Amino acid sequence: AQSVTQPDIHITVSEGASLELRCNYSYGATPYLFWYVQSPGQGLQLLLKYFSGDTLVQGIKGFEAEFKRSQSSFNLRKPSVHWSDAAEYFCAVGSRTGTASKLTFGTGTRLQVTL
Amino acid sequence: DTAVSQTPKYLVTQMGNDKSIKCEQNLGHDTMYWYKQDSKKFLKIMFSYNNKELIINETVPNRFSPKSPDKAHLNLHINSLELGDSAVYFCASSQEGLGYNEQFFGPGTRLTVL
Repeated sequence: AQSVTQPDIHITVSEGASLELRCNYSYGATPYLFWYVQSPGQGLQLLLKYFSGDTLVQGIKGFEAEFKRSQSSFNLRKPSVHWSDAAEYFCAVGSRTGTASKLTFGTGTRLQVTL
Repeated sequence: DTAVSQTPKYLVTQMGNDKSIKCEQNLGHDTMYWYKQDSKKFLKIMFSYNNKELIINETVPNRFSPKSPDKAHLNLHINSLELGDSAVYFCASSQEGLGYNEQFFGPGTRLTVL
C-alpha cells in the first residue's frame, strides 16, 4: 500500500529565507505526486504536481519541487518565503485501482513565518 | 464560478443526531470523493463515486452513507453522530481517464459534534 511521510511536523523560517519541506513516499509503481497548501480555516489548494517528465516541477506562488526516484522523495522548495506562506502543507501520492483513484496524504507540515 | 461547493460550511450538532452535507461540482467531472480531516489535520479518503457508482469505501462505519443523485452531486449522510465524527469533511471531484487525474477540492465542512 502507498504511504507518504512528512518528517517535519512544524517548521519556522524568517521572511525572505529559503524553504524546503520534505516528503518521502512509498509506492510500487510510477508515483503521481502532489503538494497542497491549506491556509487556516481554508480548503486545499494545489501548489504543484508531478506525473512524469522533467523531475523539477514549477508550481504556483513561486514554489517548486524535485522528484528523486532514488530517494523516493518529492521535496518542496521556495527560494524566498513571504509571510503569507504561513500555512499547512500536505504532500500526497495518487494511486489507481481499476476505475478508482485516490490520494494518500502525509500528515502535513505546519509552516510558521517570522517577520 | 465555484468549481466544487459544499454546504453547509459549518455544522454544529448534538450526539445522536442525523445530519447531511451536500457537495456539488460544476466541472463536468464523472468522479467525486469524500475525505475526512481529523483534529490532527490528517486527511484520509472515505468514499469515491464514479458515474453514481460507489468505487471506494475505505472501512468507513456504516453510519456514513454517501448518496449520488447524479454525476454533479455527492451528499454525505451521517446517522447517530458521535463525538469522534467531529472533523472537517472535504468533497473533491476529478475526470477519470488514462493515468491519474487531478482532484479538485471543495472548501470543506467543519462538523462539530457536542
